[in-house]
Amino acid sequence: DSGVTQTPKHLITATGQRVTLRCSPRSGDLSVYWYQQSLDQGLQFLIHYYNGEERAKGNILERFSAQQFPDLHSELNLSSLELGDSALYFCASSGRLAHIYEQYFGPGTRLTVT
Amino acid sequence: GQQVMQIPQYQHVQEGEDFTTYCNSSTTLSNIQWYKQRPGGHPVFLIQLVKSGEVKKQKRLTFQFGEAKKNSSLHITATQTTDVGTYFCALGMNNNAGNMLTFGGGTRLMVKP
Repeated sequence: DSGVTQTPKHLITATGQRVTLRCSPRSGDLSVYWYQQSLDQGLQFLIHYYNGEERAKGNILERFSAQQFPDLHSELNLSSLELGDSALYFCASSGRLAHIYEQYFGPGTRLTVT
Repeated sequence: GQQVMQIPQYQHVQEGEDFTTYCNSSTTLSNIQWYKQRPGGHPVFLIQLVKSGEVKKQKRLTFQFGEAKKNSSLHITATQTTDVGTYFCALGMNNNAGNMLTFGGGTRLMVKP
């Protein structure tokens, strides 16, 4: 158990819909990261939040957005869903900002778009 | 941006055989991290290498960082069925504004008992 929690575990929805994925980091971690894992694209970094502020963006589509709340939990919002958005979405957390720390991954949310 | 390529994509071994996965980059890497993902699981951090020529061991696992810091390898001695999973190398990048990991494509290890 990494200490990172993600809900829901599974999500099935239709094209065009909007979903919200939730993540709570390990106790004490201020950084939250979101990754997408699909068969054809592998593990891809989406976005990094630190203490409520967006810090780095990867290959995140404009239809996707995220935020980190004062209690440090984070939400990833996916809208206008397409079949190709079906994937595993992982949240990870780590410690202080000005250093490259190992990241602790949550169990993931499996999104299926039909 | 920087990319890391990982080979092989798949490896089948008999239990007891050794296994090695390689991670390569065309540019110098500041660091490399290794993660293991069990089937149906999430990536789990194994180790981070930062120094040229660094070698670290964890029981049957040996991690190396090349002298030129352009490649890394993970070697497992005498594989066991518990070693099954996908092994990823990842480049950690920090630009004082944010951090991110760029993952290699992974090597999926299958072990026949």
